[in-house]
Amino acid sequence: GENVEQHPSTLSVQEGDSAVIKCTYSDSASNYFPWYKQELGKGPQLIIDIRSNVGEKKDQRIAVTLNKTAKHFSLHITETQPEDSAVYFCAASRDTGGFKTIFGAGTRLFVKA
Amino acid sequence: DSGVTQTPKHLITATGQRVTLRCSPRSGDLSVYWYQQSLDQGLQFLIQYYNGEERAKGNILERFSAQQFPDLHSELNLSSLELGDSALYFCASSPLAGNTEAFFGQGTRLTVV
Repeated sequence: GENVEQHPSTLSVQEGDSAVIKCTYSDSASNYFPWYKQELGKGPQLIIDIRSNVGEKKDQRIAVTLNKTAKHFSLHITETQPEDSAVYFCAASRDTGGFKTIFGAGTRLFVKA
Repeated sequence: DSGVTQTPKHLITATGQRVTLRCSPRSGDLSVYWYQQSLDQGLQFLIQYYNGEERAKGNILERFSAQQFPDLHSELNLSSLELGDSALYFCASSPLAGNTEAFFGQGTRLTVV
């Protein structure tokens, strides 16, 4: 069946360094790729998203890239801060042939001060 | 605060029992999604309702059912509970039918003993 693989499962970086999380999806009909941040005891919150007609999107310290051919998308966080520490989920979604969103297993990011 | 309200926050019940989880979406949002998050697991999509109608179904067990009422709030019913049903259950809402930002509630932590 369709799935989304997310790597790494845990990532530890020094404050100020960059962090990169990678996801690969299998459903070629996926056309919407959101990234969510989940802090302890809270529900996930959208931090950035990208649609299949765009290759890259940036919002301040956060950027996402999409390679449709390789079915691969990545989250880049620059100048990391301790408050970036959280679990990050990627997802692949489609709305053709029936809506479906599949989440990756998550990446636990630790930013050391 | 996402604007999505879930009740109760915590629920402890015995195996074989039935529980109902409640979700009030953000004002104006027509879609409601239910997700299950087990310990150290990603988010598993269960079911989606849009304006009162079932829109999409994911990995929802036959023991589970949901509905969306005319005032757009939703309930997730879990019956014949098993130990493995212990998890965080999240509700999310969005204004559209799919492929758009979903706003998550704080979740209901269900413990089956």
